[in-house]
Amino acid sequence: QKEVEQNSGPLSVPEGAIASLNCTYSDRGSQSFFWYRQYSGKSPELIMFIYSNGDKEDGRFTAQLNKASQYVSLLIRDSQPSDSATYLCAVVSGTASKLTFGTGTRLQVTL
Amino acid sequence: EAGVAQSPRYKIIEKRQSVAFWCNPISGHATLYWYQQILGQGPKLLIQFQNNGVVDDSQLPKDRFSAERLKGVDSTLKIQPAKLEDSAVYLCASSTLDLKETQYFGPGTRLLVL
Repeated sequence: QKEVEQNSGPLSVPEGAIASLNCTYSDRGSQSFFWYRQYSGKSPELIMFIYSNGDKEDGRFTAQLNKASQYVSLLIRDSQPSDSATYLCAVVSGTASKLTFGTGTRLQVTL
Repeated sequence: EAGVAQSPRYKIIEKRQSVAFWCNPISGHATLYWYQQILGQGPKLLIQFQNNGVVDDSQLPKDRFSAERLKGVDSTLKIQPAKLEDSAVYLCASSTLDLKETQYFGPGTRLLVL
């Protein structure tokens, strides 16, 4: 079982719709969770981090964490073509204290 | 605030040659990371420094990869000899001491081994 799992996509959503990106992780002791956005040929940039169960909102982005289900998600409201990128879920594991990335989900926002 | 700097941006070498990458983290960031990102995959941690000490190098192929962070600031990552499968983007990132803090990534070095 991979430490951090994401569906590679592509996930295609029309402009203006809600994009829902999902991530599961294997280490139940994980404490910190991050979503990075990576445009093609560019380096990852942080969108959101979440540490506690529940929702965290920042503009059009909402991160959701459910530690019991070992599940973290990212919702993007009013999706724009500029949101088209690969979204990387990253988790700080409880034991190793290092950031482990998933393989990323490619999001395509269509006009 | 200046970001993480890396050089070179691109490098093409033949297998069995050696190559070195340089990284200058954000000023004041104690923790520095080197990641390898193969096309279609997420970044994989190679080595993590805290100041000039190694925190984690469990995924560093030590028979061919080496890294150092002298004086706790700049860092170099070396590959000797390179293999075809080393073709990837090498990302440097830095953060403050707390793992809850954001890691800021440099632009990366794209390596192609022929």
